[in-house]
Amino acid sequence: DTAVSQTPKYLVTQMGNDKSIKCEQNLGHDTMYWYKQDSKKFLKIMFSYNNKELIINETVPNRFSPKSPDKAHLNLHINSLELGDSAVYFCASSQGGREMNTEAFFGQGTRLTVV
Amino acid sequence: QKEVEQNSGPLSVPEGAIASLNCTYSDRGSQSFFWYRQYSGKSPELIMFIYSNGDKEDGRFTAQLNKASQYVSLLIRDSQPSDSATYLCAVNRAYSSASKIIFGSGTRLSIRP
Repeated sequence: DTAVSQTPKYLVTQMGNDKSIKCEQNLGHDTMYWYKQDSKKFLKIMFSYNNKELIINETVPNRFSPKSPDKAHLNLHINSLELGDSAVYFCASSQGGREMNTEAFFGQGTRLTVV
Repeated sequence: QKEVEQNSGPLSVPEGAIASLNCTYSDRGSQSFFWYRQYSGKSPELIMFIYSNGDKEDGRFTAQLNKASQYVSLLIRDSQPSDSATYLCAVNRAYSSASKIIFGSGTRLSIRP
């Protein structure tokens, strides 16, 4: 069984469109994340949710709107897509809380290409 | 200053040698530290974690942590071609009621036969 799954794996779309990426985890974790990885492999945190509550918003443009209907799901909706949004987006989850060994488990990534 | 810094490489090491990867972090409140490996086109996968000063060994991998110097390293002994990948250092900071996992920009490692 896939621990963290995100769909779609590839997304090609035109500038100005609106698109969504879905993520689900079956690990029972409390915390979920969205990361953006650019062409230089830098993995930058975008959002973090803990038990459906937004904890971290790393000054991401408000065209990006995460939604967490329950603690097992974290979706990412992007409005008015721009060329600079092209990247690989990773969903991840961790046990969260203030425990130390809260490693992040990653989904397979969504490669978004804006043309 | 970036929160987690790594040398981007590429680092080229002959097969069978020791590969040494380094990472520094800026927040003294960081609690635990991770090394992830990422193959091209794949997602990051955890290979080591450490949260106490000193060394931690797991097979061919040794993680080293020095909190006073805010420094983490990963040693890979008997390097194999399959170790060629990008290695991401990550730190976990307590943040509000949750944790925040921040990554460095990664070091590309190439093992030459």
